[in-house]
Amino acid sequence: KAGVTQTPRYLIKTRGQQVTLSCSPISGHRSVSWYQQTPGQGLQFLFEYFSETQRNKGNFPGRFSGRQFSNSRSEMNVSTLELGDSALYLCASTPTQGDGYTFGSGTRLTVV
Amino acid sequence: AQSVTQLGSHVSVSEGALVLLRCNYSSSVPPYLFWYVQYPNQGLQLLLKYTSAATLVKGINGFEAEFKKSETSFHLTKPSAHMSDAAEYFCAVSDGSNDYKLSFGAGTTVTVRA
Repeated sequence: KAGVTQTPRYLIKTRGQQVTLSCSPISGHRSVSWYQQTPGQGLQFLFEYFSETQRNKGNFPGRFSGRQFSNSRSEMNVSTLELGDSALYLCASTPTQGDGYTFGSGTRLTVV
Repeated sequence: AQSVTQLGSHVSVSEGALVLLRCNYSSSVPPYLFWYVQYPNQGLQLLLKYTSAATLVKGINGFEAEFKKSETSFHLTKPSAHMSDAAEYFCAVSDGSNDYKLSFGAGTTVTVRA
């Protein structure tokens, strides 16, 4: 079956711009989470959605937001980009907590 | 709140030797524990998971891990390293209170010497 699909794979943006990243989870997976990965901070939790509701949010500024649609697809948005937002953004989905998340290949965001 | 500590940011082993990656966790409730592997420019791939069914867990690619509650550990092993095992490995914990958030360790990079 198809895995978790993230688009685009690579993105270059300028400071101050905003960006939207997309994630299509595995069919039937209603929980979708987002993580930021950087060399300095490692893997950090951004937020988790379940049936279009944000259930949990990590310690990130309000510039980071997300949403989930009725078909479980999810988007995350970062406004007023800063250089420090350069990272690999990973989306993951799961049917239940104990199954473990399946991750996408990520979107590599570079802010210049 | 849960947290994960991975001992050793880099591990170097010879091909055919034992791979041992250490992970200790803290969790206020019985946890779910996972090991993931990441190859360059890729996402994370689930190696194995502990969900209280058995303390010794077998995963893909010959890896296994043992859950030890008394030591709050979940170390990952593979009896014989292969060149293809060179990657970064992450231990992660999710507590059992229906909080789906994963907390990751800092990761351990494994290099395999021929």
